[in-house]
Amino acid sequence: AQTVTQSQPEMSVQEAETVTLSCTYDTSESNYYLFWYKQPPSRQMILVIRQEAYKQQNATENRFSVNFQKAAKSFSLKISDSQLGDTAMYFCASIIQGAQKLVFGQGTRLTINP
Amino acid sequence: GAVVSQHPSRVICKSGTSVKIECRSLDFQATTMFWYRQFPKQSLMLMATSNEGSKATYEQGVEKDKFLINHASLTLSTLTVTSAHPEDSSFYICSARAPGQGNQPQHFGDGTRLSIL
Repeated sequence: AQTVTQSQPEMSVQEAETVTLSCTYDTSESNYYLFWYKQPPSRQMILVIRQEAYKQQNATENRFSVNFQKAAKSFSLKISDSQLGDTAMYFCASIIQGAQKLVFGQGTRLTINP
Repeated sequence: GAVVSQHPSRVICKSGTSVKIECRSLDFQATTMFWYRQFPKQSLMLMATSNEGSKATYEQGVEKDKFLINHASLTLSTLTVTSAHPEDSSFYICSARAPGQGNQPQHFGDGTRLSIL
């Protein structure tokens, strides 16, 4: 079975600081995809970043980057120069290649303080 | 980019009422759509996978007679909560994936907040 675990229910940092959200996963498959989604108070689900498991290079999207450690099955999200608009729930998710179901972690509530 | 529209965004109704929620893919054809339920401060829980032209696949513990899903076209899936009761109050979100996109990310609707009085 595929599982995704986020061990940090809540985090809080000051504006402009860097914050790292943790995510671990478990799968017996070798081909899969990993995602970070952001859910602000409006409750829209917004894709932040994605990583293909076969790629060794860590994905980067502007201030967002991941640390993908395949052997450790770890997929953390780093937010640099955090902004007030980054305040949201963040969900880590994975999907096996060829499968339909996206498996979500429990979520981390991130608050950026002014 | 791909857009998924979900309607209505908010429903308040009396116990015993049936409520229909629509999920539309606006600029792509979605052979598969997904319905999630989200309780406050919790993660998304997959309820069912909606397949165009065939029966939906429900997750374990989800009552198919309670949550009716119809995916009659490549751009529309509907979730009907039948004889809704206060315990059905929740946030419901749909998502869709275009055919041929493999494991491209799912595109989510904006969700429906359902409140049963």
